Amino acid sequence: DAGVTQSPTHLIKTRGQQVTLRCSPKSGHDTVSWYQQALGQGPQFIFQYYEEEERQRGNFPDRFSGHQFPNYSSELNVNALLLGDSALYLCASSAQGGEWWLTKNIQYFGAGTRLSVL
Amino acid sequence: TQLLEQSPQFLSIQEGENLTVYCNSSSVFSSLQWYRQEPGEGPVLLVTVVTGGEVKKLKRLTFQFGDARKDSSLHITAAQPGDTGLYLCAGGVGENNTDKLIFGTGTRLQVFP
Repeated sequence: DAGVTQSPTHLIKTRGQQVTLRCSPKSGHDTVSWYQQALGQGPQFIFQYYEEEERQRGNFPDRFSGHQFPNYSSELNVNALLLGDSALYLCASSAQGGEWWLTKNIQYFGAGTRLSVL
Repeated sequence: TQLLEQSPQFLSIQEGENLTVYCNSSSVFSSLQWYRQEPGEGPVLLVTVVTGGEVKKLKRLTFQFGDARKDSSLHITAAQPGDTGLYLCAGGVGENNTDKLIFGTGTRLQVFP
């Protein structure tokens, strides 16, 4: 059973460019969340997708957008890249339903995509 | 804005020592998770607690959720070099089953043999 997979693993872009990151959730999971982790810090919530719609959003500008496909996989798009967008981008998958005391907020993370903006 | 502060930020200890990591907030969370992250990898879930006052044990690791669901602690007994890593606490926000997580600032643990 494959876990959460992300691609690419590393990416180098220049300021002003656009980037698309991809995520395939764990088998059986229907919800995908994206996080940004700057060096030396904890992950920051970007947004969450469920049923192909953005369900929750963190404090990130509109340059950050996403999409979820019918097979539950997801993309994160960042436009007009800034130097400060350099970070590890993490995808986490989870499942709605189940017994809440067993599954409450349990999210499984991928290894991330390391984005460097020069 | 909900924040989770972890202490200490850095911890270097010898193998066999005990340690406690704290995760504090002024906000109430619906659940609290602890993750461990190693370089080049994503966070790996260690435990989730959902009830105020709950205590969970995972071998040499003991996790506690505060009575008011605002804070948590992770205690490691007889630390081993394999425990080295970045420990992150994360609070669940909301009442759905898969709410967003607010992560703490992290505690970097180094255990020397």
